[in-house]
Amino acid sequence: GAVVSQHPSWVICKSGTSVKIECRSLDFQATTMFWYRQFPKQSLMLMATSNEGSKATYEQGVEKDKFLINHASLTLSTLTVTSAHPEDSSFYICSASVSGTDTQYFGPGTRLTVL
Amino acid sequence: DAKTTQPTSMDCAEGRAANLPCNHSTISGNEYVYWYRQIHSQGPQYIIHGLKNNETNEMASLIITEDRKSSTLILPHATLRDTAVYYCIVRVGGNKLVFGAGTILRVKS
Repeated sequence: GAVVSQHPSWVICKSGTSVKIECRSLDFQATTMFWYRQFPKQSLMLMATSNEGSKATYEQGVEKDKFLINHASLTLSTLTVTSAHPEDSSFYICSASVSGTDTQYFGPGTRLTVL
Repeated sequence: DAKTTQPTSMDCAEGRAANLPCNHSTISGNEYVYWYRQIHSQGPQYIIHGLKNNETNEMASLIITEDRKSSTLILPHATLRDTAVYYCIVRVGGNKLVFGAGTILRVKS
C-alpha cells in the first residue's frame, strides 16, 4: 500500500518551454502532497506543500509563478515548470501523506534536463 | 523541529546487522523520529518512525534511548540492495520533513 507514482520519469526540453510533472497516489487519498527538488550530490529541498482544493504554500526562495502547482483531486497533483532554463535541471520528487496520518510516501522522481 | 546528527558514511558486511546512529539531543516531547532511505536516483523510501518506544517492522527496528536524545536504526541482515543514503529526521507531526545530509551506507560482499 501507499504507492505514489510520477510521470514522466525523465524529460528533456528546450530552454523557454514549459514542462508538466504529474504525481499520483495510487492506492490512497492524499489531502496533502509535497514537491521537492534535489540537485546532484545534495539533499532534498522542499519546494512547496499543496493541499487539495486550495493554493499551494511555497518555501522561501521558490518562485510560485515559475513553479505552478495544482492539486485538483485527492489523488493527483501537478507541478508545471514554466519557461524552463538550464538551471532548473534537477530531480523533482513528490510525496503524499495518507489522509489522517503524518507519514509521507515518495514518488520515484522525475529527472528534468533543460537544454 | 530538532536538528539531527548522523555519521557521513558507514560500511557493513552483507548478511550482518547494520546499525545506523542518529543524535537528536534537542528533541522535544512531541517530536517523532523518522527514518527514510534513498537509493541512487530514486525517491526516498519510508522505513520506520517512533516517538519513544522501540519499533519494529518488516524492514527494520528503531531503538530510541530512554532520554530520547539519540536513536539507532537496525537493519538485521543487510543485503547489497540496502546500499543507500539513510536519513534520520525529527519532526512534530504535521510539520514538513527537513532532510539533512544523511548517512551513506555501503553494504559490501
